[in-house]
Amino acid sequence: DADVTQTPRNRITKTGKRIMLECSQTKGHDRMYWYRQDPGLGLRLIYYSFDVKDINKGEISDGYSVSRQAQAKFSLSLESAIPNQTALYFCATSDPSRGDNQPQHFGDGTRLSIL
Amino acid sequence: RKEVEQDPGPFNVPEGATVAFNCTYSNSASQSFFWYRQDCRKEPKLLMSVYSSGNEDGRFTAQLNRASQYISLLIRDSKLSDSATYLCVVNGVSSNTGKLIFGQGTTLQVKP
Repeated sequence: DADVTQTPRNRITKTGKRIMLECSQTKGHDRMYWYRQDPGLGLRLIYYSFDVKDINKGEISDGYSVSRQAQAKFSLSLESAIPNQTALYFCATSDPSRGDNQPQHFGDGTRLSIL
Repeated sequence: RKEVEQDPGPFNVPEGATVAFNCTYSNSASQSFFWYRQDCRKEPKLLMSVYSSGNEDGRFTAQLNRASQYISLLIRDSKLSDSATYLCVVNGVSSNTGKLIFGQGTTLQVKP
């Protein structure tokens, strides 16, 4: 089983719909992250969380919200989806117990298309 | 100036070739550096951390030059399976955030 699992893997939806992407991890890591990846732009951080109920904005948080109700789960919501939110979304985790700047471990990604 | 810059490539090399990628970063206070590998439409996977003294893992060698603020990745004896995009990653400078800054990636295509 994957250590970091994202659901759904693919989603096509219409403009204006509310969408939730789920991320769950079995690694026991405190820190979790949501990124989006667009061609030519690399990975950009949307939100991150250091612990249950801790929420921090990343560089492109507008139009998104997140929830961290349990250590193992970090969900990303698009309240009213728009076409320019079409992208590949990744969840990641890291373990700060060995220092602040540890590598991150990624889920398989969610391919989201907004029509 | 981007915080982390890479030549996007693509680099097209024959099997067995040696290929090197460079990456520059803008903030001299950065302390942690990594190379990730990403296959098409897949998640990034950690290839190796980059240490100040340089480090090697099989056919892969990573170097850090703090004075010039660049990181390099050398791949020797390229295999077809090395074809992928290689992401240079640097920690965000704000303390205690765990944030990483990703380069756009350099694409490598190894040909038979």
